[in-house]
Amino acid sequence: DAKTTQPPSMDCAEGRAANLPCNHSTISGNEYVYWYRQIHSQGPQYIIHGLKNNETNEMASLIITEDRKSSTLILPHATLRDTAVYYCIVRVDDNYGQNFVFGPGTRLSVLP
Amino acid sequence: DAGVIQSPRHEVTEMGQEVTLRCKPISGHNSLFWYRQTMMRGLELLIYFNNNVPIDDSGMPEDRFSAKMPNASFSTLKIQPSEPRDSAVYFCASGPRGLRGEKLFFGSGTQLSVL
Repeated sequence: DAKTTQPPSMDCAEGRAANLPCNHSTISGNEYVYWYRQIHSQGPQYIIHGLKNNETNEMASLIITEDRKSSTLILPHATLRDTAVYYCIVRVDDNYGQNFVFGPGTRLSVLP
Repeated sequence: DAGVIQSPRHEVTEMGQEVTLRCKPISGHNSLFWYRQTMMRGLELLIYFNNNVPIDDSGMPEDRFSAKMPNASFSTLKIQPSEPRDSAVYFCASGPRGLRGEKLFFGSGTQLSVL
């Protein structure tokens, strides 16, 4: 079962920042927070992940609260091509490999 | 790198027939995942392998489904016999063993239609 809760849908104006929230109140100390997105019928695409500290890459920023019970994915300047379903996942990473379980995600619509 | 390669891209078959889906992971990756996606159930994890060994197959819906990974560069998902409710997009994904987390790379999927 997915360990995260996300709003089912959100809208964002093109050029504005898109802030996608995720609740993971039962996260364990060794679980990472991952974000993926799926554009239309393509396979999901990795965006970013983190453990405790905030992270930033060329695609997005990840803000994790100090208690780690929630996080926010930020797309700083959303474009129409960012319209997709965004998935927040928590998982342990160990030597045995762990499963990636996707919940229903948030459907982000970027509006012109 | 060509990425994760799945074949066929589309498969149309009749109920009762055997279906085999194929996946070539990215070279050097040692984790491989099979997912199924439908409108009703979303993206479901079926099985995953680590170093060619099945770690968790609890998501495999029933005995009609089987998956193998005979070597690090090839995996199959077989449905025998197929049923209309198996119609879905099947994704394969592979991942490396990184020091901080593990990123999954997905293939383009196989659209399966069972008539």
